[in-house]
Amino acid sequence: EAGVVQSPRYKIIEKKQPVAFWCNPISGHNTLYWYLQNLGQGPELLIRYENEEAVDDSQLPKDRFSAERLKGVDSTLKIQPAELGDSAVYLCASSSPAGPYNEQFFGPGTRLTVL
Amino acid sequence: SQQGEEDPQALSIQEGENATMNCSYKTSINNLQWYRQNSGRGLVHLILIRSNEREKHSGRLRVTLDTSKKSSSLLITASRAADTASYFCATAPIDDKIIFGKGTRLHILP
Repeated sequence: EAGVVQSPRYKIIEKKQPVAFWCNPISGHNTLYWYLQNLGQGPELLIRYENEEAVDDSQLPKDRFSAERLKGVDSTLKIQPAELGDSAVYLCASSSPAGPYNEQFFGPGTRLTVL
Repeated sequence: SQQGEEDPQALSIQEGENATMNCSYKTSINNLQWYRQNSGRGLVHLILIRSNEREKHSGRLRVTLDTSKKSSSLLITASRAADTASYFCATAPIDDKIIFGKGTRLHILP
């Protein structure tokens, strides 16, 4: 069974530039999560999707961050414009219909560096 | 705000010894999970313990949960070099989102 796929794995951009991250969850997983992980810290939830509906986006900085999950499968997380403080690893995870916040399967992450 | 906090922040032990790390949390939970993250790799789910369970085993892992003290412990027995990683507890509070702690960095010495 294929795991959660994320791309790109690494991204280096200048500040004020836009950037987008893509995630393909495990087939059949209707819950998808985006997390941000700073160095030496645990992941922090940005947004959770149930199918195509964003059910928890309270931690998403909506002035510059946006996300979408068209057709309830793949998802894209965008930052526009990026700031120096956005440098971090962006993780995508998915879980089965057994319910949210049960076992989550994580992708390898996208390491973003903003210069 | 941080719901779960692991203790210690870092731990170094000899290969073959047991490693114990703890997690404390603040509010009532549905479940508590432990994850492992190797250097340069993604997070891997290790074990989930529900609020009505007190102990759970999986291979060399043993997790306990004390809801009265709002704490959990993860025991890794007979440690191996491959156990070197960061270990995170994640709490799923009732009617709220999952929150990860800052992690315990475990280093297994040869």
